[in-house]
Amino acid sequence: ETGVTQSPTHLIKTRGQQVTLRCSSQSGHNTVSWYQQALGQGPQFIFQYYREEENGRGNFPPRFSGLQFPNYSSELNVNALELDDSALYLCASSPRGGVYTEAFFGQGTRLTVV
Amino acid sequence: AQTVTQSQPEMSVQEAETVTLSCTYDTSESDYYLFWYKQPPSRQMILVIRQEAYKQQNATENRFSVNFQKAAKSFSLKISDSQLGDAAMYFCAYRETSGSRLTFGEGTQLTVNP
Repeated sequence: ETGVTQSPTHLIKTRGQQVTLRCSSQSGHNTVSWYQQALGQGPQFIFQYYREEENGRGNFPPRFSGLQFPNYSSELNVNALELDDSALYLCASSPRGGVYTEAFFGQGTRLTVV
Repeated sequence: AQTVTQSQPEMSVQEAETVTLSCTYDTSESDYYLFWYKQPPSRQMILVIRQEAYKQQNATENRFSVNFQKAAKSFSLKISDSQLGDAAMYFCAYRETSGSRLTFGEGTQLTVNP
């Protein structure tokens, strides 16, 4: 167990709807990253939050947005869902600073868009 | 942009035997980190081993070791004395020294035969 928890574990949504995924980071970790993992592929970086501000973004459209709260937990919001958004969404937390920061992953949320 | 390539979609090994998973990457940076992550059916990414590019010595963690060839931009994982519990998807990942963003390869599905 890494101490990173994600909710819900599974979710089914209809195309065009909006979804919110949640991540509780490991204690003491102030950086949260989100990844999208399509079936049979490696995770793709969506964005990262540090101290409640977006701090790096991958090649994802603006309908993917996020929040980080003062307790460093985070949300991933996806608007206007498309069928291709069906994937496993992984959250990773890490401490900021120092020579080396290891990312700890949650178990992911499996999103199915129908 | 950095890229990570895993050319072996699937590998299999007999229990107690040794297997090597391949990974190549592309970067213009001189200092960075490389990782191997394991993703079992539970979906949670588990760090197996990490390598700092400035260290010439290959990293070792119990039965897991790497062959890091910086000039060739190659980073292979060797699993010795394979166990049934080693069966999983294995991802090679790259990270710059600044920031927490990970770039993953496509993964290698490892099967361990009894």
